[in-house]
Amino acid sequence: AQSVTQPDIHITVSEGASLELRCNYSYGATPYLFWYVQSPGQGLQLLLKYFSGDTLVQGIKGFEAEFKRSQSSFNLRKPSVHWSDAAEYFCAVDGAGSYQLTFGKGTKLSVIP
Amino acid sequence: DADVTQTPRNRITKTGKRIMLECSQTKGHDRMYWYRQDPGLGLRLIYYSFDVKDINKGEISDGYSVSRQAQAKFSLSLESAIPNQTALYFCATSDERGLTEAFFGQGTRLTVV
Repeated sequence: AQSVTQPDIHITVSEGASLELRCNYSYGATPYLFWYVQSPGQGLQLLLKYFSGDTLVQGIKGFEAEFKRSQSSFNLRKPSVHWSDAAEYFCAVDGAGSYQLTFGKGTKLSVIP
Repeated sequence: DADVTQTPRNRITKTGKRIMLECSQTKGHDRMYWYRQDPGLGLRLIYYSFDVKDINKGEISDGYSVSRQAQAKFSLSLESAIPNQTALYFCATSDERGLTEAFFGQGTRLTVV
């Protein structure tokens, strides 16, 4: 069975600081990996995804994520956080072909002006 | 107009009542999904449908049923609502490539009293 762990429930950073949100997955083969963002009162928006190839993937809003097979991780990064990035972030995995996204429990990001 | 529309956006209902949540999409996608979001638990899959004649149970289907009335419409029903079904419900769609490009509705906040 596939699973996703987001170790940090809540992170607070200052505007302009760098950000890294952690995600670890459990799956026997190389999974499809996703990061979604949920702003208050909104649905989920896809930030970026990894299927194969280059392990560093670029997404929207200046986010990037790096797939590390040896660590079973897919951490999300942003070099300089903006106040509008305050939201909840979800990592998700789709064991290729399962057609079922399994989500982590989410990390809430707060940004201090 | 949104690509994935959920109605109602908010609903309060009484224990034992039947309630239907509706989802319609203009993406032209074959695949549709219902997820439930609870604080601290992330999103969990309730049901998914790959086309009008193909409906499958997800991780937490007990107490729920679905109907795929057309390619663009996928409804979720609670036959006899109970308080622990109080949650935020999301509909999602994806194309024939599966969850490579998933689009989410804005959610329905359901409260069962």
